[in-house]
Amino acid sequence: GQQVMQIPQYQHVQEGEDFTTYCNSSTTLSNIQWYKQRPGGHPVFLIQLVKSGEVKKQKRLTFQFGEAKKNSSLHITATQTTDVGTYFCAGGSGGSNYKLTFGKGTLLTVNP
Amino acid sequence: AAGVIQSPRHLIKEKRETATLKCYPIPRHDTVYWYQQGPGQDPQFLISFYEKMQSDKGSIPDRFSAQQFSDYHSELNMSSLELGDSALYFCASSRRGSGGVSTDTQYFGPGTRLTVL
Repeated sequence: GQQVMQIPQYQHVQEGEDFTTYCNSSTTLSNIQWYKQRPGGHPVFLIQLVKSGEVKKQKRLTFQFGEAKKNSSLHITATQTTDVGTYFCAGGSGGSNYKLTFGKGTLLTVNP
Repeated sequence: AAGVIQSPRHLIKEKRETATLKCYPIPRHDTVYWYQQGPGQDPQFLISFYEKMQSDKGSIPDRFSAQQFSDYHSELNMSSLELGDSALYFCASSRRGSGGVSTDTQYFGPGTRLTVL
């Protein structure tokens, strides 16, 4: 079945440093979605990428979808303590299959 | 804006008991997904429903069943509970896009924390 690998598993940074998490799928995806989950909270939708090579920005967050639609990345510029949480990518395989396959997530901690 | 509602938020059960978790999707959303998340784990897809019909099945144990009702709310029924069933159970909802491309975004509820003693 479809597998989505996400690295790193953990990342600790000093406030102001950049952060990147990467996802790689074993199969071509129809779309990829990114979620953020704060400790004790629920996954909150951040963004969805659909097109090959797509790049989207949300303030300090930059999301990329690979040309082959098998990998994606999330980059945060100048991290802040409010960025703390686990970032999950989730791949959709499309067609009649609407379920998402989540990566293991990257837990980001930020030292003030 | 209205969000996904889940009840109860916390549930404590004994082994071999049954539990029912409820999910109320965002208004006008037609698809409901159930996920199980263990401590420090990613959400594991259990089952989904579209327009009251089961649309996909993941790693849902045979002891669990679910359905979506005419008002689009969904219930996850769990029987013969085991210690390993202790987890966060999330419901997510979406509204399916058109054109044959899976572009629907899933919005998660706050979850039900199930503890089996």
